Amino acid sequence: GENVEQHPSTLSVQEGDSAVIKCTYSDSASNYFPWYKQELGKRPQLIIDIRSNVGEKKDQRIAVTLNKTAKHFSLHITETQPEDSAVYFCAASIGNTDKLIFGTGTRLQVFP
Amino acid sequence: EAGVTQFPSHSVIEKGQTVTLRCDPISGHDNLYWYRRVMGKEIKFLLHFVKESKQDESGMPNNRFLAERTGGTYSTLKVQPAELEDSGVYFCASSKRIFMTAPIRTDTQYFGPGTRLTVL
Repeated sequence: GENVEQHPSTLSVQEGDSAVIKCTYSDSASNYFPWYKQELGKRPQLIIDIRSNVGEKKDQRIAVTLNKTAKHFSLHITETQPEDSAVYFCAASIGNTDKLIFGTGTRLQVFP
Repeated sequence: EAGVTQFPSHSVIEKGQTVTLRCDPISGHDNLYWYRRVMGKEIKFLLHFVKESKQDESGMPNNRFLAERTGGTYSTLKVQPAELEDSGVYFCASSKRIFMTAPIRTDTQYFGPGTRLTVL
């Protein structure tokens, strides 16, 4: 069946460094790729998303890249801050539907 | 705008008991989704309502799980009887509408805070 693999499972960086989280998906018909951030005890919140007709999208310190040929997409956080510490989930739509398949999450820790 | 709300936030029950989880989506959102995250694993899709109709329930684990959305507003997810492996965090999400053009596009899915279910 369809799946999304996410790496790494944990990531520790120094404040100010960059962080990169990578995901691969199996369904070549997937066309929507959101990223969610879940802080401890809070709900998952959308931080950025990308659709299959775009290769890159940026929003301040956050960017997402999509390689449809290789079926992978990545989250890039630059100039990390302690408040970026959270669990990040990538997701991909199942084919041409709005059903999402999620990765297993990446726990990011940013040390001051 | 109020976000998606879920009740209760935590539930601890014994194996064999029944539990009902509730989700109130954002007002005006036709789409409502249930997801579950078992400890350390991915967030898994359970089912999708469009208004009061079940659009896709392919992720429901078995017939011990029953979801309803009477009137197309709030939704309930009942587990009866609960088993140990049902423990996890149950999330609800809602989105505004589906754009019925090719390719089909949906609005952002907004998540609730989740219900942590522990079955002892």
